[in-house]
Amino acid sequence: NAGVTQTPKFQVLKTGQSMTLQCAQDMNHNSMYWYRQDPGMGLRLIYYSASEGTTDKGEVPNGYNVSRLNKREFSLRLESAAPSQTSVYFCASRGPYGGRLETQYFGPGTRLLVL
Amino acid sequence: GESVGLHLPTLSVQEGDNSIINCAYSNSASDYFIWYKQESGKGPQFIIDIRSNMDKRQGQRVTVLLNKTVKHLSLQIAATQPGDSAVYFCAENFGTSYGKLTFGQGTILTVHP
Repeated sequence: NAGVTQTPKFQVLKTGQSMTLQCAQDMNHNSMYWYRQDPGMGLRLIYYSASEGTTDKGEVPNGYNVSRLNKREFSLRLESAAPSQTSVYFCASRGPYGGRLETQYFGPGTRLLVL
Repeated sequence: GESVGLHLPTLSVQEGDNSIINCAYSNSASDYFIWYKQESGKGPQFIIDIRSNMDKRQGQRVTVLLNKTVKHLSLQIAATQPGDSAVYFCAENFGTSYGKLTFGQGTILTVHP
């Protein structure tokens, strides 16, 4: 049981390049989330997926798109990377019962540098 | 000017002391709160949670206290160990949106041997 896994662990992009961050969970959780964390800051929600087949915007969705590929996988795409998107990206999942008051479990993060 | 976010609150304690980390949350309608621990280079790790119908909850070496009157949450760590050194975040959930957490700024805990 690996929990929440993320790939890649580290990525350097040039401004304007695109990339997809991958996330998978093996806990049979219904809900999945993408956050970004800037230096010295707490996490801010980018997008979330309450259940397979649904996605919704979080606090800072601009410049990102997501895909809930199946129950296990939730990807985050940067279509045209900007230096302001330099950050550490965390994926999380919650469930399995789908109840509102359940904690989230986080992956190890992807460190993204946009030059 | 500098971003407030670049200067996290810090707490330094000696090994074996008890630690208290505080958090002021933002929304009086929040009904679920979580404390996370984040070690350098890792993702946040769940420590303990509490629902708004409670004012205290205990785990192994940790206790969370909730004061809804002043919108204050605290995490108490008993017999703090060097392995407890990390950044600690509180998070709150409110409204009907499923699992959308709002995170606090974080507190850096340093435990000296």
